[in-house]
Amino acid sequence: DAGVIQSPRHEVTEMGQEVTLRCKPISGHNSLFWYRQTMMRGLELLIYFNNNVPIDDSGMPEDRFSAKMPNASFSTLKIQPSEPRDSAVYFCASSFWLGEMVGNTIYFGEGSWLTVV
Amino acid sequence: AQKVTQAQTEISVVEKEDVTLDCVYETRDTTYYLFWYKQPPSGELVFLIRRNSFDEQNEISGRYSWNFQKSTSSFNFTITASQVVDSAVYFCALSEAAGLHSGGYQKVTFGIGTKLQVIP
Repeated sequence: DAGVIQSPRHEVTEMGQEVTLRCKPISGHNSLFWYRQTMMRGLELLIYFNNNVPIDDSGMPEDRFSAKMPNASFSTLKIQPSEPRDSAVYFCASSFWLGEMVGNTIYFGEGSWLTVV
Repeated sequence: AQKVTQAQTEISVVEKEDVTLDCVYETRDTTYYLFWYKQPPSGELVFLIRRNSFDEQNEISGRYSWNFQKSTSSFNFTITASQVVDSAVYFCALSEAAGLHSGGYQKVTFGIGTKLQVIP
């Protein structure tokens, strides 16, 4: 089975431009996570969807960031306008949530490496 | 609140040496899960192991072994006879349920990671 698929793998953009990162979770998974990884802050959870509904977006840094999940097989993370401090690796991950069983393994995509110049 | 501490930011060992990566966690829940992930230089995050809070048995998988001790809130990872291919950043993570009053979701916190360099 295919894993979590992210695109683009690498993106270089100019400050002020809009950036859209895309994610296709593993088929059958009902939970989707967006993480950001930087040297300074490590892995940070940005937003979590369950059954396509945003459940926890407390990690979204500011209004420039938005995320959508229009259906079970697709999610986007948008940054508008982008700034150099947004440069990071953005990971999408998915799992299957079974109620209070919290041990469901989270599988990660290969990441989208974003550079804002 | 939950917290995962990986106190070792970088470790260097010579090939064939054993190495232990430490992970200490904090949680008030009685039901939780712990994970280890590997991030090689290529950047992807690879799942290694999952352990629930009710199972303190140690686990061995080839050269990898994990020691879970609830008494010390630790979930340490040992690589025996390290190899150059083990060079990576290793993340420990804690998963617990949150928001149960509204349906619940899986809240996962990652440690800062330990960078392991195995020198040939």
